[in-house]
Amino acid sequence: RKEVEQDPGPFNVPEGATVAFNCTYSNSASQSFFWYRQDCRKEPKLLMSVYSSGNEDGRFTAQLNRASQYISLLIRDSKLSDSATYLCAVNSGGFKTIFGAGTRLFVKA
Amino acid sequence: DADVTQTPRNRITKTGKRIMLECSQTKGHDRMYWYRQDPGLGLRLIYYSFDVKDINKGEISDGYSVSRQAQAKFSLSLESAIPNQTALYFCATSERGTGELFFGEGSRLTVL
Repeated sequence: RKEVEQDPGPFNVPEGATVAFNCTYSNSASQSFFWYRQDCRKEPKLLMSVYSSGNEDGRFTAQLNRASQYISLLIRDSKLSDSATYLCAVNSGGFKTIFGAGTRLFVKA
Repeated sequence: DADVTQTPRNRITKTGKRIMLECSQTKGHDRMYWYRQDPGLGLRLIYYSFDVKDINKGEISDGYSVSRQAQAKFSLSLESAIPNQTALYFCATSERGTGELFFGEGSRLTVL
């Protein structure tokens, strides 16, 4: 079993839709959680950190469920520009961050 | 200018050749990393460095070596490249106390 798993998708949604991604992790000692966005052939860029209490940044909401060991990302009112691959990342302390393989999102007009 | 700069951005080489990928950063971060990305496998950690005196193997270090020449520079070498090292390589940095990574633009390596 991979340490961090994501549904690869692709998710194809119309503009304005709400879409949610989940990411599961296997190490219960994991301490920090992140969502990154990666455009085609570009570097990953931090989208948001995921806090225990959940956090929201505009149309994006991230949640952490430690009991079930997953994090989620909710995108409301999807825009064409949201089309990208979304990577979840989990840090177990120290310097080792493990990435999921990514979930591809296509938002169509 | 990018805060984390990788060179070369693209490289095609032949099996058995020695290749060096270079990374420099202006973010002032102590921690630097090398990852490789393959389709369907995500990002995998090759090596990481806490500071110039500290080098650590990641999950896939076989066939690679690194050098931390200065706080701002971290290079990755493939002593004898093989085709399954064809991948997109990313350098990243982070600040002490956070897990947030800042990536360079990537180096696409093709080994024929």
